Formats: sequence, structure tokens, C-alpha cells
Amino acid sequence: ETGVTQTPRHLVMGMTNKKSLKCEQHLGHNAMYWYKQSAKKPLELMFVYSLEERVENNSVPSRFSPECPNSSHLFLHLHTLQPEDSALYLCASSQTTGQYNSPLHFGNGTRLTVT
Amino acid sequence: AQSVSQHNHHVILSEAASLELGCNYSYGGTVNLFWYVQYPGQHLQLLLKYFSGDPLVKGIKGFEAEFIKSKFSFNLRKPSVQWSDTAEYFCAVNFGIGGADGLTFGKGTHLIIQP
Repeated sequence: ETGVTQTPRHLVMGMTNKKSLKCEQHLGHNAMYWYKQSAKKPLELMFVYSLEERVENNSVPSRFSPECPNSSHLFLHLHTLQPEDSALYLCASSQTTGQYNSPLHFGNGTRLTVT
Repeated sequence: AQSVSQHNHHVILSEAASLELGCNYSYGGTVNLFWYVQYPGQHLQLLLKYFSGDPLVKGIKGFEAEFIKSKFSFNLRKPSVQWSDTAEYFCAVNFGIGGADGLTFGKGTHLIIQP
């Protein structure tokens, strides 16, 4: 048990579908992240939320839309994806202050396949 | 641009062999350094971290890493590997401390330990 729960574990969707990935952390952390893990590429930071406000968006295409309704929940809304978006999407959380950021705790990920 | 490089993408060792995985980063400022491990089918787990102080840090399962600031390196070591160490190992760097900045990851090293 990681303390960070992601659902679903696997998702197959067509390019015209709309779906959402869900992440919930039970660690009392105040920052949450979305990462993309593709084969043969480094983990790519997509979005960062700190205290429920988005603080970083690494030029992610608009077909990915994050939502952080509270410090425990994070969503990634998907629409009109492309086959190259197929990857493992990882959620992570951490505790951050103005001077310190704890290590990230990762969920198991959602394996997304776009057909 | 800030980046993290892992030199070995695939490493195959026999049990009881010594291990050293290289990690270098490009950034002249203050960094926090991490090694994560991903066992087959499992989530990313923190092996060890360096924030400040003694540059030789010890982590779980007999792993250690040494921060050499002049070489911008944070190599992972283990004196005697076991079959259960087979996994993917990721070096990660938090460039600039404070705040929820997220981590920049290397591409990972796939370690296979042969019995």
C-alpha cells in the first residue's frame, strides 16, 4: 500500500472518447503531481498542484486537463487523445513548505492505451 | 536546460557482484537528489535521498549513494547484489529547493540479477 491510490489501473479508449483518471492520497500531503511514463523515455512531469493551486504546467497539450478539488484528490481529464499518448500515468504526492519538499510518494499508475 | 543523465540503460550482473549505477545532472545551484526503484509490477519506491550534510547517504536494502558536488554526480552503489534487486532504478533531482517543484528523472536503468 503506497498511500496513493490511482484508478483505474488500466484504461483503453478511442481517440474520440472522454475519460478521467483519478488519484487519491491518504498521507496528508499538500502537493500532488501527474507524471507520464513512456517506454525508453524519462518520467515527464505534467502538472503540479500545491495547496490545490496549479503551480506548474510543463507545456502539456490541452487534451489533458487536470483538476484538484482538494488536497487529497487529483484528476486528469482526457479527451481526443492520440495513440502517442498511450503510456503509464503516475500520480504522486509530497509535503512541501516554503523551504522543504519531502520525497514524492507514487501511486501504481494507470496504464492508458489509446486506439 | 536542467537535465538528469543515467549512463547505463541495461545492466546485467550475477548475484553477489558489486553494483554502481551512474547519475549526473546539469545544474550549478542547490539540488535535492533521489534514487527510486520500481520492482516489476510495483509502484515507484524511494531508495534514498540527499538533502544536505554527509554526502554519503544510506538507503534501504543495503543501497548507498554518494553526492559529489564537483562532478555533479550521485551514483548508486551496493556491495553485493541479490536476485531480488532486479528492477528499474531511477535517479531524480529537485532543481532548486523549496516549494512543490516536482522532480526531473533520468531515463532509468534496468538492472537484471542472474542467480
